[in-house]
Amino acid sequence: NAGVTQTPKFQVLKTGQSMTLQCAQDMNHEYMSWYRQDPGMGLRLIHYSVGAGITDQGEVPNGYNVSRSTTEDFPLRLLSAAPSQTSVYFCASSYSPTYQQYFGPGTRLTVT
Amino acid sequence: GESVGLHLPTLSVQEGDNSIINCAYSNSASDYFIWYKQESGKGPQFIIDIRSNMDKRQGQRVTVLLNKTVKHLSLQIAATQPGDSAVYFCASSGGGATNKLIFGTGTLLAVQP
Repeated sequence: NAGVTQTPKFQVLKTGQSMTLQCAQDMNHEYMSWYRQDPGMGLRLIHYSVGAGITDQGEVPNGYNVSRSTTEDFPLRLLSAAPSQTSVYFCASSYSPTYQQYFGPGTRLTVT
Repeated sequence: GESVGLHLPTLSVQEGDNSIINCAYSNSASDYFIWYKQESGKGPQFIIDIRSNMDKRQGQRVTVLLNKTVKHLSLQIAATQPGDSAVYFCASSGGGATNKLIFGTGTLLAVQP
């Protein structure tokens, strides 16, 4: 099992550009989520999905969009990048939103 | 320009000593707790979990203690090794209507050889 995979590992964007962060899992988990991690702050939930076709907003959803067409994939789209979106992004999957989350290796994003 | 963030609390221990990392949670309805380890440049990695019907749970070289009275969780690492150097953070289930995990900010464990 590869677990949770994320691409790219690093990305630099200019303000206003858009991009998609990819996430895939091979554990057949129904629950998938995106977090951002900033210095001195805990992981903050951006968006989550409880199954294919179902997504919802987390704590900090503004500027991000998600879709879930398959159980395996959960891409995160930045619509118009801003410097405030400079962060490390983690995708996670689990059997349940309140159970152990399995994390991917992260994407380090810099917006200039 | 350079951004300045909050510094993580740091626990510095000698190799071979025992380490104790603490975490406080706020929701008395939380019923599930997890400890994660995050090495530099990597994603968080599960260490151990505990449910609220237990006070203590042991794994390999790690023990988690739960004190529900004061809403406190601790992670004990026995015979700390250089490979244990990482950020450790706890997570708790939201409890009640908050059906999500809530993550702490973490403690940096620095193991001195």
